[in-house]
Amino acid sequence: EVQLLESGGALVQPGGSLRLSCAASGFTFTNFAMSWVRQAPGKGPEWISVISASGDKTDYAESARGRFVIARDNPTKMVFLQMDSLGVDDTAIYYCAKVKDDYRRPLDYWGQGTLVTVSS
Amino acid sequence: DIQVTQSPSSLSASVGDRVTITCRASQAIDNFLAWYHQKPGYAPKLLIFAAWHLLSGVPPRFSGSYSGTEFTLTISSLQPEDVGTFYCQKYDSFPLSFGGGTRVDLK
Repeated sequence: EVQLLESGGALVQPGGSLRLSCAASGFTFTNFAMSWVRQAPGKGPEWISVISASGDKTDYAESARGRFVIARDNPTKMVFLQMDSLGVDDTAIYYCAKVKDDYRRPLDYWGQGTLVTVSS
Repeated sequence: DIQVTQSPSSLSASVGDRVTITCRASQAIDNFLAWYHQKPGYAPKLLIFAAWHLLSGVPPRFSGSYSGTEFTLTISSLQPEDVGTFYCQKYDSFPLSFGGGTRVDLK
């Protein structure tokens, strides 16, 4: 059974940083790209970033480019999202998701999410 | 960036009704469109990919189709567990944008 477990969400002040983690299990981690998606309260999902199966390729939404960095550690089956210069608009539930089949494909498994609140 | 626009934004229907949701892309995206269902308090779940391919385990009452830049999700007979919000997502190119969502509830 595929499982994705996010952690690291917290209350952080504007301008602060946070590192989210996602522990994956139940599938051959090294075969699949992984993504982060966020959802602000009462809003629809917003795709944030993707990293290839080997970790050599990444892409970002405009809202994340230059502030967020996605990374993965294949031996430990972990995905990370380093978020810097956080603003109130970054308040959201952040989901880790497995990419179906290839790098630029839909997301077939999602975690339960971790809440990031940016507020003074 | 290519935008995807969903309609309607919400609808009410009775159990057994046929429900149709539309997603329009601002430019051609071939068949690179997926549909998700999100129940309150849960993460979205993938239902359909490549415009009309059902993910394994998804009930056959769900179907997808497309013509040009217009994509349709149809529920042939609405069930109580279908309540929630449906989103389309285009994945022809980055960013992988989601539509604004269609909230479905029971009449």
